[in-house]
Amino acid sequence: QQQVKQSPQSLIVQKGGISIINCAYENTAFDYFPWYQQFPGKGPALLIAIRPDVSEKKEGRFTISFNKSAKQFSLHIMDSQPGDSATYFCAASSNFGNEKLTFGTGTRLTIIP
Amino acid sequence: DGGITQSPKYLFRKEGQNVTLSCEQNLNHDAMYWYRQDPGQGLRLIYYSQIVNDFQKGDIAEGYSVSREKKESFPLTVTSAQKNPTAFYLCASRTGSTDTQYFGPGTRLTVL
Repeated sequence: QQQVKQSPQSLIVQKGGISIINCAYENTAFDYFPWYQQFPGKGPALLIAIRPDVSEKKEGRFTISFNKSAKQFSLHIMDSQPGDSATYFCAASSNFGNEKLTFGTGTRLTIIP
Repeated sequence: DGGITQSPKYLFRKEGQNVTLSCEQNLNHDAMYWYRQDPGQGLRLIYYSQIVNDFQKGDIAEGYSVSREKKESFPLTVTSAQKNPTAFYLCASRTGSTDTQYFGPGTRLTVL
């Protein structure tokens, strides 16, 4: 049973535009929601994470928006750059990250000049 | 140079052979994890260990085995019982005081 649904599967955005990736979850016990960035042939790296006590978290050009009632969260990349081209994974876990992470299926983002 | 190391980067094996993937960390992290990554399926948890000499099955443990004899090491054995072992395998670790999992560079296993 897939507990974290991620969309879209792939995304092409022009340089300088806003990239938006969405995730939805089913398990109401989830209380930790990280986003990972992965470049080809490399391991994923934590980009930004949020807990459900806030509705938004911003770090530089990256923002997570969180909607607890809808059980949805999204990643926004402002002023997208070619170096942002990568695969992005959302994830969720309970017990403030102490339980195992459940990952979405990933979004391949391509930023074109 | 601290971090998580996985070796080898590429591994080729014949069908029916067992193979062991190495994962070592010098971060003094308590928890370690093994994931399998296939195109279009994200990361799926194989096994995880919260402390030495203890580990739990993840979502797709069939055909795999692990050991955790030392805090720094969490090797994964892909047995001949694993029906489709060709994949990218990722090891991760986490300290008990934070919620962030840190990933190694991965091992790409190809079974011929």
